[in-house]
Amino acid sequence: AQSVTQLGSHVSVSEGALVLLRCNYSSSVPPYLFWYVQYPNQGLQLLLKYTSAATLVKGINGFEAEFKKSETSFHLTKPSAHMSDAAEYFCAVRNSGNTPLVFGKGTRLSVIA
Amino acid sequence: GAVVSQHPSRVICKSGTSVKIECRSLDFQATTMFWYRQFPKKSLMLMATSNEGSKATYEQGVEKDKFLINHASLTLSTLTVTSAHPEDSSFYICSAKPSATDTQYFGPGTRLTVL
Repeated sequence: AQSVTQLGSHVSVSEGALVLLRCNYSSSVPPYLFWYVQYPNQGLQLLLKYTSAATLVKGINGFEAEFKKSETSFHLTKPSAHMSDAAEYFCAVRNSGNTPLVFGKGTRLSVIA
Repeated sequence: GAVVSQHPSRVICKSGTSVKIECRSLDFQATTMFWYRQFPKKSLMLMATSNEGSKATYEQGVEKDKFLINHASLTLSTLTVTSAHPEDSSFYICSAKPSATDTQYFGPGTRLTVL
């Protein structure tokens, strides 16, 4: 069975500071990994995904994530936080095919001016 | 590309009535769509997997007679909450996966409030 653990339900950073949102997964087969962002009262928007190609994945809005198999991690980073980055971030995993995504509990990112 | 819409975005209904939520893939065909429920400040909980032309697969604990799912075409899936009660109030989100890709695209969600 697959599962995702997001460490920290709430992360607060200053504007311009590094953003680091942690995600660890468990999967019995090579996983597909995703990060989604959700703004208030909206659906989910795909930030980036890992599908067994390059381990460092670049996404939209300056975010990137690195797949580390040895650590079973897929942490999301951004060098410099912007006020508009404040949102809920979800890490998700699934196997190949039509299996559904399994989501972590989410991390709320606050950006302080 | 890869836009998923949901209608309505918000709905308020009386207890005991039924509500239908539509999920459409606007610019691609989706043999598989998923329905999620999100409680306040909680993660998304998968309710069911909807396959075009066949019965939906429900997750454990989800009442299939209460949450009716129909996936009649490659671009439309509907979720009907039957005999709604206040505890059904939630944010319902659908997603659709193009056949040849690994990515699920999410709709904007539907806020259901049952009075």
